[in-house]
Amino acid sequence: DQQVKQNSPSLSVQEGRISILNCDYTNSMFDYFLWYKKYPAEGPTFLISISSIKDKNEDGRFTVFLNKSAKHLSLHIVPSQPGDSAVYFCAAGFGTDGNNRLAFGKGNQVVVIP
Amino acid sequence: DAGVIQSPRHEVTEMGQEVTLRCKPISGHNSLFWYRQTMMRGLELLIYFNNNVPIDDSGMPEDRFSAKMPNASFSTLKIQPSEPRDSAVYFCASSLMPQPQHFGDGTRLSIL
Repeated sequence: DQQVKQNSPSLSVQEGRISILNCDYTNSMFDYFLWYKKYPAEGPTFLISISSIKDKNEDGRFTVFLNKSAKHLSLHIVPSQPGDSAVYFCAAGFGTDGNNRLAFGKGNQVVVIP
Repeated sequence: DAGVIQSPRHEVTEMGQEVTLRCKPISGHNSLFWYRQTMMRGLELLIYFNNNVPIDDSGMPEDRFSAKMPNASFSTLKIQPSEPRDSAVYFCASSLMPQPQHFGDGTRLSIL
């Protein structure tokens, strides 16, 4: 049973435009959310996180938005760059173990076209 | 800085053989995680350790799977006997709570 869902598995975007990735979750207990980025033949690398007490967190070109009532979060990348071409994973956890027992989505492939 | 180191990077073996995957976490990290990634199920947590002690192994699929962490700098994930459905990419990750997890580059396992 997938507790974290990422639909629209692939996204193509022109360099300089905005990339928007979406993630839905089913467990209302989740209170900590992360995005990871993965290049081929490498492990996922942490990108940005947000706790449920916030609805937005920004780090440079990356912004994560959280809508708790809709159980939805999104990652905005602006402007998109060719180096952003990767698979992006959404992850969620809860409680004091929030960063340990993470549930991951299946990932979104992003291709940034130069 | 050295990241999480996994070995081997690729493993191809025949059904029924024992498989041992190895992981060296980042020095100073006190939590270690084993994940499995497949097309069907995505990235799943198999087991995690805190201060070398297994905390949650509810994700371990069967008794054929076992994991150990004899010290703070080394962990193994063993499959015995291996089956074709065990073919996947296995990731090890480590963290220093409450910081995010750092992943190794994975072991691609193929069971023939």
